[in-house]
Amino acid sequence: LAKTTQPISMDSYEGQEVNITCSHNNIATNDYITWYQQFPSQGPRFIIQGYKTKVTNEVASLFIPADRKSSTLSLPRVSLSDTAVYYCLVASMDTGRRALTFGSGTRLQVQP
Amino acid sequence: DGGITQSPKYLFRKEGQNVTLSCEQNLNHDAMYWYRQDPGQGLRLIYYSQIVNDFQKGDIAEGYSVSREKKESFPLTVTSAQKNPTAFYLCASSMDPATSYEQYFGPGTRLTVT
Repeated sequence: LAKTTQPISMDSYEGQEVNITCSHNNIATNDYITWYQQFPSQGPRFIIQGYKTKVTNEVASLFIPADRKSSTLSLPRVSLSDTAVYYCLVASMDTGRRALTFGSGTRLQVQP
Repeated sequence: DGGITQSPKYLFRKEGQNVTLSCEQNLNHDAMYWYRQDPGQGLRLIYYSQIVNDFQKGDIAEGYSVSREKKESFPLTVTSAQKNPTAFYLCASSMDPATSYEQYFGPGTRLTVT
């Protein structure tokens, strides 16, 4: 399983764009990149999933360069309610196992 | 409303006792998962099941057991053999694990063993 590295914590202010970068140097050809958000004492919530280039949905964008060794989650105009832990995961479609491997995540603190 | 329910939200047990955590989903998902989370850490996979009557060990299965007799239900038993059972336990399900990594998580059960 590909190991991921992301910053332990980040601070931002309301209304700013936040970019969280994740490194996954040993990502395999068939691996996908997925991001989850978790609030204290709750289960994680799926944000976005991608394979290459750019993926956008109603809450975030995911940028993946051509070599796929890193990815960046972009949260536009954050609010206080975006304060949470964000997990970057790399998951393989090759294996029979579809479960996820979580790292320690990035703790985002949004200030007023 | 469709979703995943876990009960109870808080559970207290004495050391040496087995305890079963409930997980039910009405999303018609084939795959279900159990994770454990310790303070300040990410989630670790205990067991997963991709279909009824079949389940696989995850990364930290020792001291735990599961069953999958019905599609909707995936109970987890924490046995007395689990050396450090106090943790936050999360159940999840997914529709088609072959095409998407979107998992839906329940609210969790916080287990305290003293």
